[in-house]
Amino acid sequence: ETGVTQSPTHLIKTRGQQVTLRCSSQSGHNTVSWYQQALGQGPQFIFQYYREEENGRGNFPPRFSGLQFPNYSSELNVNALELDDSALYLCASRIPGGGELFFGEGSRLTVL
Amino acid sequence: GIQVEQSPPDLILQEGANSTLRCNFSDSVNNLQWFHQNPWGQLINLFYIPSGTKQNGRLSATTVATERYSLLYISSSQTTDSGVYFCAVIYNTDKLIFGTGTRLQVFP
Repeated sequence: ETGVTQSPTHLIKTRGQQVTLRCSSQSGHNTVSWYQQALGQGPQFIFQYYREEENGRGNFPPRFSGLQFPNYSSELNVNALELDDSALYLCASRIPGGGELFFGEGSRLTVL
Repeated sequence: GIQVEQSPPDLILQEGANSTLRCNFSDSVNNLQWFHQNPWGQLINLFYIPSGTKQNGRLSATTVATERYSLLYISSSQTTDSGVYFCAVIYNTDKLIFGTGTRLQVFP
């Protein structure tokens, strides 16, 4: 039990649609990051939020955006979905100054 | 950027066997974690080990930061150990960079 929960667990969208994925972290975990894991590959860093501001971004286009809220929850939004966006999306959080990241169970997105 | 490579890419064991998984990284890192990803996709924390040796039951890990590698030992393997094992490092920024993974299958 990592204390990080994600929703929904599975969802199916069609190309061009928009999707919002949600994550709830443990109290006190004010750093949250999102990762995309395509089938057969390792997770890739999308972006990180600290105190509700984005403070790091991987090689993903602007149609991937996020929000972090004061209650330790966060969102990943993806606009104009493409087939290649089909993947497992993982949320991770950690305590301030802490190094170890804890992951949620992921949201598996299928784009048709 | 930093490269993180794991070996072997695939490993097939019979229950009860021991194994060693290796993680090599190409630059100095601040942190290193080992994960087990189960068939449902959950990343389970095994070790947070930027340096030194740790043990947890049948699993242990050693990181030699000066030589840029980490080892994960699994003893007396069980079928529930099956899955993909990732090492991941934090270097230069706060993001985790994952290795290529080792897929382990343990048969009864």
